[in-house]
Formats: sequence, C-alpha cells, structure tokens
Amino acid sequence: GAGVSQSPSNKVTEKGKDVELRCDPISGHTALYWYRQSLGQGLEFLIYFQGNSAPDKSGLPSDRFSAERTGESVSTLTIQRTQQEDSAVYLCASRRTGTSTDTQYFGPGTRLTVL
Amino acid sequence: GIQVEQSPPDLILQEGANSTLRCNFSDSVNNLQWFHQNPWGQLINLFYIPSGTKQNGRLSATTVATERYSLLYISSSQTTDSGVYFCAVNAYSGAGSYQLTFGKGTKLSVIP
Repeated sequence: GAGVSQSPSNKVTEKGKDVELRCDPISGHTALYWYRQSLGQGLEFLIYFQGNSAPDKSGLPSDRFSAERTGESVSTLTIQRTQQEDSAVYLCASRRTGTSTDTQYFGPGTRLTVL
Repeated sequence: GIQVEQSPPDLILQEGANSTLRCNFSDSVNNLQWFHQNPWGQLINLFYIPSGTKQNGRLSATTVATERYSLLYISSSQTTDSGVYFCAVNAYSGAGSYQLTFGKGTKLSVIP
C-alpha cells in the first residue's frame, strides 16, 4: 500500500516568511509524528498526534512552530516568520496504533531552506 | 532524557566486507528500531528489535536489552548499503507520549 507522503519535497523561502508543510500518513494509522533533521544530525522530535487526544507539543523549538491534524488524516506543520536556523529536513512518520511499541514509518521529508 | 550513542561515527568498507554497528542506550526501552537513510534522505525501516535477534538477508540485528545495547551486522557489503544507519529508541517525552530518540548515526561508505 501507499506509504507516508509529504509535500512539498523542497521549499526555499526568504527569512521572515511563513511556510506550511504537509504530511499524509498511511491510511488507518492513528499516530503521527513530526521530526526535524538538521544537516549531518540525527532526528529531533517536534510533535505527536494520537487520534483525537491533545497533541504532545513538547518538542516544538519555539512558538513560531505549530501543527494541526484533523482526526486521523492529513497533518500540516506551520513555521511562522522563518529564520535561517529553521533550515532542515522535516520528516513525518505514522504508526498504526497508539501503542508505543509499534513501528514508525517515515515519509521522504521536506527539505526547507531559509535564505 | 535517554541518551543514544552509536559507533563508529564513520565507516569505510571494501565491497564484500562485513561490519558491525553498535548502539548503546542509557535507560530501559520497549522499542528499538534500526533505520537506513539512503543518499536521497529516505529513512527505511530495517528492524524493529526491542530484544532478541532478527535476520533479513545480509542484515541481522541483536538487542540485549538488559545490557542496553544493540548491534547491526552487515555481511558481504554492497555499494548500495552506503548511507547513514540510525538507531532509535522509545523515550517518554514527559508530556504524555513516547517518541523515538535517535542516535547521531553511523555513516557507511562501501567502495568498489
């Protein structure tokens, strides 16, 4: 079946602009994560959605970052007033259930470049 | 929070050689995954292995949960094995959920 998809694959923006990144999880997956990977680094957790529960936003680096998810479908990550340090690859992952021991599946990522 | 350390950070292999990648973690975990990030950035699940041993073709992995480490074995390496290998474990965020905490990865280069 289809995997996790993300759009756009690449985004170049000017400092101070807002950007919106999209994630389509695997159909039927209730859990959705956003991560950020800076150049040459591992992945950093940003936010977690599980069904209709309140999201875990503990990884968001500043109040310029926000995310939404409607039910168990698409999620959007919004970065307001982008800064150069926001440049990174933003990865989305979904998991079939809310069980922490289940496997996460990753999308191809969105490469964000802030000029 | 939980710490994940991978070694070596970089590895260069001649095609056909074998290698072992290591992942140490600082606390008990109930989920450990190995990923391969290819040169195009795609993260590919290799193993979900909170304990025990699994094999998939030329790759195998072993996790000894009581001693807090996992090993990824690559046998008869091929140039297509090149990329970065990440180990990731479940960590409680402190805000009601578990998410994967990643090591910094092992960058593998297989040369013909």
